[in-house]
Amino acid sequence: GAVVSQHPSWVICKSGTSVKIECRSLDFQATTMFWYRQFPKQSLMLMATSNEGSKATYEQGVEKDKFLINHASLTLSTLTVTSAHPEDSSFYICSARVRDTQYFGPGTRLTVL
Amino acid sequence: GENVEQHPSTLSVQEGDSAVIKCTYSDSASNYFPWYKQELGKRPQLIIDIRSNVGEKKDQRIAVTLNKTAKHFSLHITETQPEDSAVYFCALHSGGGGNKLTFGTGTQLKVEL
Repeated sequence: GAVVSQHPSWVICKSGTSVKIECRSLDFQATTMFWYRQFPKQSLMLMATSNEGSKATYEQGVEKDKFLINHASLTLSTLTVTSAHPEDSSFYICSARVRDTQYFGPGTRLTVL
Repeated sequence: GENVEQHPSTLSVQEGDSAVIKCTYSDSASNYFPWYKQELGKRPQLIIDIRSNVGEKKDQRIAVTLNKTAKHFSLHITETQPEDSAVYFCALHSGGGGNKLTFGTGTQLKVEL
C-alpha cells in the first residue's frame, strides 16, 4: 500500500515553455500532497503543500505564479512549471501523506535547455 | 523554520561493520522523526520512524534512538551490506507545522567490500 506515482519520469523542454508534472496516489486518498525540489547532491527542499480543494501553501521564496499547483481530486496533484528557464532544471519529487508518514513518488527529472 | 543538522555528511564502513548517523534539532515541539534512504536517481524510501513518546525502535538491522532532552536522534545500521550504500536523510515535523517535514542535509553511506 501507499504507492505514489509521478509522470513524466523525465522531461526536456526549451526555455520559456511550461511543463506539467502529475503526482498520483494509487491505492489511497491523499488530502495533502507535497512538492519538493532536489538539486544534485543536496537535500529535499519543500516547495509547497498541496491541499485538495483549496489553494496550495507555498514556502518562503517559492513563486506561486511560476510553480502552479492544482489538487483537483483526492488522488491527483499537478505542478506546472511556467516559463521554465535553465535554472529550473532539477529533480522534482512529490509525496503524499498518510497520517504522519510521507510516501514519495519516483521523481521527475526536468532539464530546461 | 525548524533546523536539522545531520552528521556525518559522508560515511565509509567495511562490510559487516556498524554505521551511525546523527541528527540534532532545536524545536522541542518536534514529535515525529522518520529516516529515509535514497539511492541515486530514485525516490526517498522510508526505512524507519519514531515518535516522541518512544526512546528506541528497532527493525532487524536498523534501529533509531531518540533523546528528547538533548534533542537528537540517531540511525543505527548493524552488519552493513553493500546494498546499504545510499544517501540517508533524517527528517522531522512539529505538531503545529501542518505536517511538513524538514529534512537533514543527508549522509552518503558507502559500504565497502
